[in-house]
Amino acid sequence: QLQLQESGPRLVRPSETLSLTCSVSGGSIISTNSYWGWIRQSPGKGLEWIGSIYYSGDTYYTPSLKSRVTMSVDTSKSQFSLRLTSVTAADTAVYYCARLVHDYPDYWGQGTLVTVSS
Amino acid sequence: DIQLTQSPSSLSASVGDRVTITCRPSQSISNYLIWYQQIPGKAPKLLIYAASTLQSGVPSRFSGSGSGTDYTLTISSLEPEDFATYFCHQSFHTPYTFGQGTKLEIK
Repeated sequence: QLQLQESGPRLVRPSETLSLTCSVSGGSIISTNSYWGWIRQSPGKGLEWIGSIYYSGDTYYTPSLKSRVTMSVDTSKSQFSLRLTSVTAADTAVYYCARLVHDYPDYWGQGTLVTVSS
Repeated sequence: DIQLTQSPSSLSASVGDRVTITCRPSQSISNYLIWYQQIPGKAPKLLIYAASTLQSGVPSRFSGSGSGTDYTLTISSLEPEDFATYFCHQSFHTPYTFGQGTKLEIK
């Protein structure tokens, strides 16, 4: 059974960088059939697609966040990561990592609440 | 961006009821429509993809239909574990988007 687990700081100061890692187990991150993605959920904006990455490193970022987002993958550790710079309170959300098949999530991590506050 | 409008935003029903939730995209998405169920504090769970294909392991009381700009999720006979929030999602055109959710509550 594929499992994904997010990890990273739960509290980030305004203007600083949010960094999260997703660890994949129970399956290979090197898959020609899958992308790996980040989605966030906040009370104000609902579910929001952040972007996706292929095991080769190819990425897609949603335009509204593109200037602040970087995703990377480490196949040796079976992990992929999210960096979001210059955060504000509006970036407070539950962040989910997910496996994507045909561009939609089928397996999700449990989610991690990241709060932006001083 | 493609907007997904779900209706109703909330719904009260009883165990055994048949319920239908609608998702209307702002433009045609050629059946690239996915439905998720979310229980509070948990990640969304995939129910249906390609508008009408049931994900493996999902009970057959769940069904999806529709095309173009009009899609529905139907639960034929509610079970206690079905009271949750349901989201639609489109993977037709980037940026991929989600509906605002329909909260299904016990009457």
